Amino acid sequence: EVQLVQSGAEVKKPGESLKISCKGSGYSFTSYWIGWVRQMPGKGLEWMGIIYPGDSDTRYSPSFQGQVTISADKSISTAYLQWSSLKASDTAMYYCARPSAAGKRVLGGWFDPWGQGTLVTVSS
Amino acid sequence: QSVLTQPPSASGTPGQRVTISCSGSSSNIGSNYVYWYQQLPGTAPKLLIYRNNQRPSGVPDRFSGSKSGTSASLAISGLRSEDEADYYCAAWDDSPSWVFGGGTKLTVL
Repeated sequence: EVQLVQSGAEVKKPGESLKISCKGSGYSFTSYWIGWVRQMPGKGLEWMGIIYPGDSDTRYSPSFQGQVTISADKSISTAYLQWSSLKASDTAMYYCARPSAAGKRVLGGWFDPWGQGTLVTVSS
Repeated sequence: QSVLTQPPSASGTPGQRVTISCSGSSSNIGSNYVYWYQQLPGTAPKLLIYRNNQRPSGVPDRFSGSKSGTSASLAISGLRSEDEADYYCAAWDDSPSWVFGGGTKLTVL
């Protein structure tokens, strides 16, 4: 079974750093892009960026460029989303999700599966 | 402000047919496939429709998708209480990026 399992909920203070994870299993981790999607409280879905674990090629949505860093460790089939200095406005649920098509050349398609989500709360 | 435009809410009674619209532009819906996701309360989004009108295995045929020009629709027939959820349309945009609608909250009365 293809599965993405994310790390647990986090409570942080403004200015702190954070790295959350997404572990893939049941497929060739290095052959598919993995994306991150933000959902702020009571709001819709926003695509943040994506990484190809095979060579760590990373693309960001303009809205999130410079705000977060996406990385991956292919040796443990895990992708990461990190912040160097959190803000209260980073409070949200964050999902990782795998696009449908295999291979680096194919960007696009649908997201399936999704991770279960990691709730990040930033509050003083 | 989401790139794709959906009505914020929709409702229907059990057994009814409801439709949810999704409007985009030539760079997303107009030139690429549309996808629909269902998000039940407190859960991650789940793929409901891919490539405009295809259902993944396990999705009931009560759910159907269509696309025309720069707009798309999701139809749910024989509405059931368990269909109460948020529904999101999505598409690849040529900018390039994925884009989503703002979501439609479906209430089963």
